[in-house]
Amino acid sequence: DAKTTQPTSMDCAEGRAANLPCNHSTISGNEYVYWYRQIHSQGPQYIIHGLKNNETNEMASLIITEDRKSSTLILPHATLRDTAVYYCIVRGNQGGKLIFGQGTELSVKP
Amino acid sequence: DAEITQSPRHKITETGRQVTLACHQTWNHNNMFWYRQDLGHGLRLIHYSYGVHDTNKGEVSDGYSVSRSNTEDLPLTLESAASSQTSVYFCASAGQGFSEQFFGPGTRLTVL
Repeated sequence: DAKTTQPTSMDCAEGRAANLPCNHSTISGNEYVYWYRQIHSQGPQYIIHGLKNNETNEMASLIITEDRKSSTLILPHATLRDTAVYYCIVRGNQGGKLIFGQGTELSVKP
Repeated sequence: DAEITQSPRHKITETGRQVTLACHQTWNHNNMFWYRQDLGHGLRLIHYSYGVHDTNKGEVSDGYSVSRSNTEDLPLTLESAASSQTSVYFCASAGQGFSEQFFGPGTRLTVL
């Protein structure tokens, strides 16, 4: 599975959009981009995933560049409860194994 | 509502003891996973199972074992606990297609 690179930490003002970047320059054609988040001391929570098209659900939007070498998770109106570590994960079709990196620690501030 | 539970939530044990952590899910998922998370690190995969009687080693499987006798449960056993196994352990399950893994609340294990 491809390796991902994320910034260690980011800040965002409450009510503003939070844009979390992820680089996955070695991604292959059949690998999906997944985003999970982990609120302090809790189990990770699935947010969204995509292959090559942009995706949106009730939690967030996922923008994948045309060359698929990077992506951005967008939380449109961040709240204090969105403060968490966000993990960008690239997963192939060979089973459901997730390889977690260090993630981005997002702090939403009032 | 379907859920995934882990027990115990907290455990303290001594070096050399055998410890079993329970994981139970009510989604009827075939796929189950065990991860460990150490302070300041992401999750690392210990073992996983794609169905009854199927088990596979993950990236940090030494010192751990699992068995899958039914769909709902995947217990994780530490054969002889070591201080290096002090960690938070998360269990997860996923349905066909693996589109989303559902994680349990975690078990905090301390080995003294």
